[in-house]
Formats: sequence, C-alpha cells, structure tokens
Amino acid sequence: DVKVTQSSRYLVKRTGEKVFLECVQDMDHENMFWYRQDPGLGLRLIYFSYDVKMKEKGDIPEGYSVSREKKERFSLILESASTNQTSMYLCASSSGFSYNEQFFGPGTRLTVL
Amino acid sequence: AQSVTQLGSHVSVSEGALVLLRCNYSSSVPPYLFWYVQYPNQGLQLLLKYTTGATLVKGINGFEAEFKKSETSFHLTKPSAHMSDAAEYFCAVKVPTGKLIFGQGTTLQVKP
Repeated sequence: DVKVTQSSRYLVKRTGEKVFLECVQDMDHENMFWYRQDPGLGLRLIYFSYDVKMKEKGDIPEGYSVSREKKERFSLILESASTNQTSMYLCASSSGFSYNEQFFGPGTRLTVL
Repeated sequence: AQSVTQLGSHVSVSEGALVLLRCNYSSSVPPYLFWYVQYPNQGLQLLLKYTTGATLVKGINGFEAEFKKSETSFHLTKPSAHMSDAAEYFCAVKVPTGKLIFGQGTTLQVKP
C-alpha cells in the first residue's frame, strides 16, 4: 500500500515563527501536493511538484514556499506564520500525469497563536 | 475552467436509509472524477473514480456513483447507510495538468 506520512499530527506555533511541515511518500511517486483544508472551503491547493527540485504554484501560494530536494520528500514552509494560516494541511502524492488518484497523508493540524 | 459543486454541506440520514450525496462539475474536457472520504482525524481515502468507459462506477464500502454527462453530475449513492459511513465526503475533478479541483465537502451524519 502507498504510504504518505506527515511529520506531525498537531502543531502549535507563534505568530512570526518559521514553520516546516514535512511529507514523505514511499511509492516512488513523481507528483506531490500540499493542500490546506478549511471548513466550508474544501481542499485548496497551495503548491505542487512534478519532479525533484521542481515546483508549481497552486491556487493559494501566498505566504508559503516549498522544497523538494529528494523524490520522496516534499516540505511546506511558512516563512513567518500568521494566525490566518491556522488550518489543516494535507499532503498527497500520485504517479504520472494520467488519471491515477492522489494518495493522502493523515494531515497536520496547525494552530498559530 | 473546471469546477466542482457539492449540493448540501450537511446530509443526515437514518441507519439503513439511502445515501445520496450530490456533485456537479464543469469541465471543458472529458472529466476524470473522484469521490474521496475523510473519517475524523484522518486523511482522504479514495472511494471511487470515473475515467472512461462504464458510467456506473462501484467503489469501496458499497458506494457507487453514476457519471451523467448530460447533467454534468457525478452523484454518490449507497443503498443502506451504516453508522460507520459518518464522515466527510469530497467530490473532485482532475484538470489536464494533473491537479485535482475539490468541492466544498459534504458531512454525512447517520442517525441510529
């Protein structure tokens, strides 16, 4: 089975802190994605990556950056956390560009105080 | 541009009753459509997907969905709800770049 793991299930940070969210997948998938999930808004794509060292902006990239130095790892970075970034963050991976589904990690619930 | 609309943010059914969760999409190309389920405090899990071929798609846990091009719909159904079906359900359409566009989600409540 595909496994996507995220470094923390719950995280509490203070405004202005730099925050790293880590995601690792074990199925050699080319594509990796970061979403945030908010009530009533569904999932919104922050960034995605089709290959190592490649990244593309999603629908809401402001305030975030990403890093993909290895194929299996995709990191989301909040350079200076703000309270409006309090949310559930979900990582996903998929193979190729076909209709293969995305596999999701368990999520990180981030609270910024 | 592709988009997804889920009608009803909350649906409540009795155990044993029919489950119907509605999803309408817009797409300028033949769509790939997905239903995901999210149980409390977990990530999303694929229920079923439509790519090409048969318009009635069967998924896990007794769920199925029918792709209706004329109605631009992909509604999710289950004949008999179980308490364990209580979760949040997301419909999604895949765009040509490989991204998924998600609906707002529908929370299913199952009453005993």
